[in-house]
Amino acid sequence: SQQGEEDPQALSIQEGENATMNCSYKTSINNLQWYRQNSGRGLVHLILIRSNEREKHSGRLRVTLDTSKKSSSLLITASRAADTASYFCATGQTGANNLFFGTGTRLTVIP
Amino acid sequence: KAGVTQTPRYLIKTRGQQVTLSCSPISGHRSVSWYQQTPGQGLQFLFEYFSETQRNKGNFPGRFSGRQFSNSRSEMNVSTLELGDSALYLCASSLDPNGGQETQYFGPGTRLLVL
Repeated sequence: SQQGEEDPQALSIQEGENATMNCSYKTSINNLQWYRQNSGRGLVHLILIRSNEREKHSGRLRVTLDTSKKSSSLLITASRAADTASYFCATGQTGANNLFFGTGTRLTVIP
Repeated sequence: KAGVTQTPRYLIKTRGQQVTLSCSPISGHRSVSWYQQTPGQGLQFLFEYFSETQRNKGNFPGRFSGRQFSNSRSEMNVSTLELGDSALYLCASSLDPNGGQETQYFGPGTRLLVL
């Protein structure tokens, strides 16, 4: 399977703390995307990082990519209760709009 | 711009029946991809359509099929439903004509329950 793995599977933190989620994948990629999903609803796109980029920021989000280790991390700073959701990484390859998703990290932010 | 829309949002069917789900992409997006999400298997790619042609296909049986219309709207069909087809079906659209370059935007999903 080309599906990635995310670590940890579940994470519980206090509001205001930082949350870090890791993603590992198996094949060469063109880009890696992070998505958020609330309670089995649709996926909300957070950030896309291309294979030639090492770090990207968007608001309170920071994503890193290490293609030599086939891994990525998502950092959410100053977490809020509204950040409670499942977070997925997904890898994309050139020539195809089929994403391979990780197993997801369930984040709970306690007010 | 309006986001990706999917209809219906919820559906209950019985084994052996067939079902058709619909997806309207973001205006201007010509690529539509379908995914199945289950607790056991996670998010899995079904197929992708671009300009009315199936461009990629995941590892699903032939009971799962799809099509895309000239206005880029897409439908997926599942025939002879099985209990294991119960899932959240998500579609995503992208502006990307070459594949694999740009963001995919997801709809709210159709939750299918097979009894």
